[in-house]
Amino acid sequence: KNQVEQSPQSLIILEGKNCTLQCNYTVSPFSNLRWYKQDTGRGPVSLTIMTFSENTKSNGRYTATLDADTKQSSLHITASQLSDSASYICVVTGGGNKLTFGTGTQLKVEL
Amino acid sequence: ETGVTQTPRHLVMGMTNKKSLKCEQHLGHNAMYWYKQSAKKPLELMFVYNFKEQTENNSVPSRFSPECPNSSHLFLHLHTLQPEDSALYLCASSQDRDRGYGYTFGSGTRLTVV
Repeated sequence: KNQVEQSPQSLIILEGKNCTLQCNYTVSPFSNLRWYKQDTGRGPVSLTIMTFSENTKSNGRYTATLDADTKQSSLHITASQLSDSASYICVVTGGGNKLTFGTGTQLKVEL
Repeated sequence: ETGVTQTPRHLVMGMTNKKSLKCEQHLGHNAMYWYKQSAKKPLELMFVYNFKEQTENNSVPSRFSPECPNSSHLFLHLHTLQPEDSALYLCASSQDRDRGYGYTFGSGTRLTVV
């Protein structure tokens, strides 16, 4: 069964600190992996998308990595800001363009 | 804005009411989707439309009725809902069903059934 598991479920960090969110998946065949940021009460917004041949991609202070062999991805946030407080969702696209969603990591950045 | 617009943003309805959610995209996409997002659960795909034709219905109860008059507009008609249907309903679009290029979500409608 295709699954996407994210850890931790929730995380609290101080402003200015770095953090790393994890995503493990069992989706096969694999097409691409996306990280989304979802602010409370809003829709998910794409941060990065990586295909099989890409192992790192950056978008400002967000850097995603992908290890297609171990089926793991991480999202690293550098120098966190209060506006980074949100849910971060890992989504894997498999065969037939079917998306499998993780439950997300709820990040809170505090002063 | 992402290019996918959903209205209303918030909706409170009684179990005997009939209401509709609207989604509109100006991205030139041909596939549109309805998702349900409940607390602490992954997004659940409800319906898929590709070139105005419904291609997927993931065992959604008949009290949810989708309508896609053209590739730019998608509706979700609601009637005799239950309190457990309270959730964030998200619309998304992509180039087409087989090519997920430009997969984009709207901001959602927060539905509360009382």
